[in-house]
Amino acid sequence: QSVLTQPPSASGTPGQRVTISCSGSSSNIGSNTVNWYQQLPGAAPKLLIYSNNQRPSGVPDRFSGSKSGTSASLAISGLQSEDEADYYCATWDDSLNGRVFGGGTKLTVL
Amino acid sequence: QVQLQESGPGLVKPSETLSLSCTVSGGSISGSSYYWGWIRQPPGKGLEWIGSIFDSGSTYHNPSLKSRVTISVDTSKNQFSLKLSSVTAADTAVYYCARHASAAPWYAMDVWGQGTTVTVSS
Repeated sequence: QSVLTQPPSASGTPGQRVTISCSGSSSNIGSNTVNWYQQLPGAAPKLLIYSNNQRPSGVPDRFSGSKSGTSASLAISGLQSEDEADYYCATWDDSLNGRVFGGGTKLTVL
Repeated sequence: QVQLQESGPGLVKPSETLSLSCTVSGGSISGSSYYWGWIRQPPGKGLEWIGSIFDSGSTYHNPSLKSRVTISVDTSKNQFSLKLSSVTAADTAVYYCARHASAAPWYAMDVWGQGTTVTVSS
């Protein structure tokens, strides 16, 4: 069981906007920044969002992140077929003194 | 551009020690002011952080694995390594090495290796 809770699946049609949630606690999301990773089938994870809402160079602005209290969200607008992937949230946990990941959300583009 | 490449045996027997290395190219570990980490992903499951190390040798470990994990750095080879002792089938996974974006393990991991599959079986 993951420290951070994500829905196991999400879906949307091309062009739609989808949101993936990540729920934690005061010792992790509540006191540290959140990152999001995209993992395409058979590939290594790729950093999508860091520091809650910052995009690394090269990540389209269709991807955005937000954080409020002990929860965070990843939003994907203008959904495209190539966005079909697994998405993971991650942060630091002060109680565990370690890095924690969400269980992952499989996004399907219908 | 920094690139990471994992290497090591793809098959390890139960109760033995899993040993992997991550070679850094396009940059130097020494004096880099980055943390370097290991993450694993069991088949069909999510990501699990194993631990991270600074070029000075300072380490952080996942508490659930800490007693079995040793992470070290060899700046002369521009590599960092993972040893996981007393492995069982539950340690079968794709193992990734990655770089943290700055000088602390709570920063995002911005560069990842391609991953290497390790199977624990007799």
